[in-house]
Amino acid sequence: KAGVTQTPRYLIKTRGQQVTLSCSPISGHRSVSWYQQTPGQGLQFLFEYFSETQRNKGNFPGRFSGRQFSNSRSEMNVSTLELGDSALYLCASSLVGRSSYEQYFGPGTRLTVT
Amino acid sequence: QQPVQSPQAVILREGEDAVINCSSSKALYSVHWYRQKHGEAPVFLMILLKGGEQKGHEKISASFNEKKQQSSLYLTASQLSYSGTYFCGTEIWSGGGADGLTFGKGTHLIIQP
Repeated sequence: KAGVTQTPRYLIKTRGQQVTLSCSPISGHRSVSWYQQTPGQGLQFLFEYFSETQRNKGNFPGRFSGRQFSNSRSEMNVSTLELGDSALYLCASSLVGRSSYEQYFGPGTRLTVT
Repeated sequence: QQPVQSPQAVILREGEDAVINCSSSKALYSVHWYRQKHGEAPVFLMILLKGGEQKGHEKISASFNEKKQQSSLYLTASQLSYSGTYFCGTEIWSGGGADGLTFGKGTHLIIQP
């Protein structure tokens, strides 16, 4: 079974631009969660999508948004990029949700904002 | 509310044991443990649910004290492959369902030969 894939793997953007990251979950998984990972803050939860609906949202500004398609693939968008948005963005898929099911993480997208 | 992990870092000799702790100030619904090696994605180790259900790898053991909102991960007879950063993630039950998974800042574990 193929694992979670994320594209692109690396991205360099300029302040003020916007970016869209993509995540394809493991086949059959309906839940996709997004995390931001930085050396200082660790893994921070952005949001979770299940069956095309946002089920939970972390404490991030409205510049961070996402969506999920009918095939469970998910995209995350960050508008008006700031230097502090530089991070590794990880998505994780789960069969139906986080509580009693393990999450499988993708390799991440390394975003650098200059 | 981000859970607090301790210790922040630990260095062991191969074969030694380690305990990594995770505590929360709020009542927990579940605790998740993951390990991340440098440059790689986090990998699932264990889930512990309120009520006692556990799910995880055979060689990993953990405990969940619901009253104290604490969980501990036990690594016995450590191997070189155990090196990495260990994260605990916690879910808080808020009436209608569990909130998002909040991870601690991680515990860096180095196993030396």
